[in-house]
Parts: sequence; C-alpha cells; structure tokens
Amino acid sequence: GAGVSQTPSNKVTEKGKYVELRCDPISGHTALYWYRQSLGQGPEFLIYFQGTGAADDSGLPNDRFFAVRPEGSVSTLKIQRTERGDSAVYLCASSPLVGTDTQYFGPGTRLTVL
Amino acid sequence: ILNVEQSPQSLHVQEGDSTNFTCSFPSSNFYALHWYRWETAKSPEALFVMTLNGDEKKKGRISATLNTKEGYSYLYIKGSQPEDSATYLCASLLGYSTLTFGKGTMLLVSP
Repeated sequence: GAGVSQTPSNKVTEKGKYVELRCDPISGHTALYWYRQSLGQGPEFLIYFQGTGAADDSGLPNDRFFAVRPEGSVSTLKIQRTERGDSAVYLCASSPLVGTDTQYFGPGTRLTVL
Repeated sequence: ILNVEQSPQSLHVQEGDSTNFTCSFPSSNFYALHWYRWETAKSPEALFVMTLNGDEKKKGRISATLNTKEGYSYLYIKGSQPEDSATYLCASLLGYSTLTFGKGTMLLVSP
C-alpha cells in the first residue's frame, strides 16, 4: 500500500513569507506527527494529532508555527513570517495508534529560507 | 542521561566488516526504543521497536539489543554491504507519544 507522502519535496522561500507543508498519512492511521531536522541534529518533535485534534503541540517553537488536520487524515503545517532559522527538513509520520506502535515516516520536505 | 545520544557519529568500514553502534537514553519513564535507517533522499525506514529489558531483535543481517535498566541499546550489522550505507537513528518514546531522537550514526560501507 501507499506510504506517507509529503509535498512539496523542496521549498525555497524568502524571509518573511508564508509557507504550507502537506502530509498525506497512511490510510486509517489515527496518529500523525510532525518533526523537524535541522542540520547536524536528529529529528525534533513539533506536534502530534490523534484524529482531528492536536494532542500535543509542545514542540512548536513559537506562534509562527501552526498545524491542522481538519478531517483526521491530511495535515498541513503552516509557517508564518518565515525566518532563516526555519530552514530544515520537515518530516511527517503516522501510526495506527499513539503509543509504542511503529511510526512510518514520509520522505520529508526540505525548506530553505533565503 | 537526559538526552538520547548515539555513538560513533560516523563510521567508515569495508564491505564484509561487522559493525555496531550504541544508543544511550534516559532509563526513567521508558516506554520504547525505536531504530530507523535513513538513506539520503528517502523516508526513514523503521527497523525495530523494542520495549522489554533484554529484548533482542533481528532482521536479516541487522540485530539489536536493549537494556532498559542502564539505558542503552546496541545495533549490530553483520557482514556490512554497500547498500547498508545510511544514517542509523535511534529514538526513545518519551511521554508515550513522541519520539526523542539521537543525532544518528552515519555509516559508509566501501566495496
């Protein structure tokens, strides 16, 4: 079956612009996670959804970051007034349930803020 | 240990060599330890999810062990092949929902 997909694969934008990153999870997976990997670091947790609601958004760095999952499937990560420090690979993962289930990752979106 | 730490940072071996990496994690409030393999331009691929102290798991030439009391896991690759070249990430499930990752071990296997 289809895995987790993310679009776009690459996004180059200018400082101050707004961007949206999309994640299509594996069909039927209840939990959806966003992570961010900056250069030289491991992926860092941003937010996770259980169904339509954000169950934990403690990893969002500030209020410029926001994510939605309105129908419990596709999720969009939104970044306002982008800064150069937002440049990173943004990873999405999904799992059947929250907890010890394997998290299946997409290929990521590489965001570059000039 | 407060964070998930991996060593070595990078490793370069010859085809046929066996190798191993270490992952250290906080032993308190432990739920699970995940290993992933991440090849350039691809999705991170799940290798193992380990939950019990003393767990040993195997997938082909790759195996892993877990010690939750002292907070470490080893990943072993027997007879490395060039296609094993990738970054190997470990992550501890903290708070029963979110993964805390190490920085990874970058493995390069030369023919």
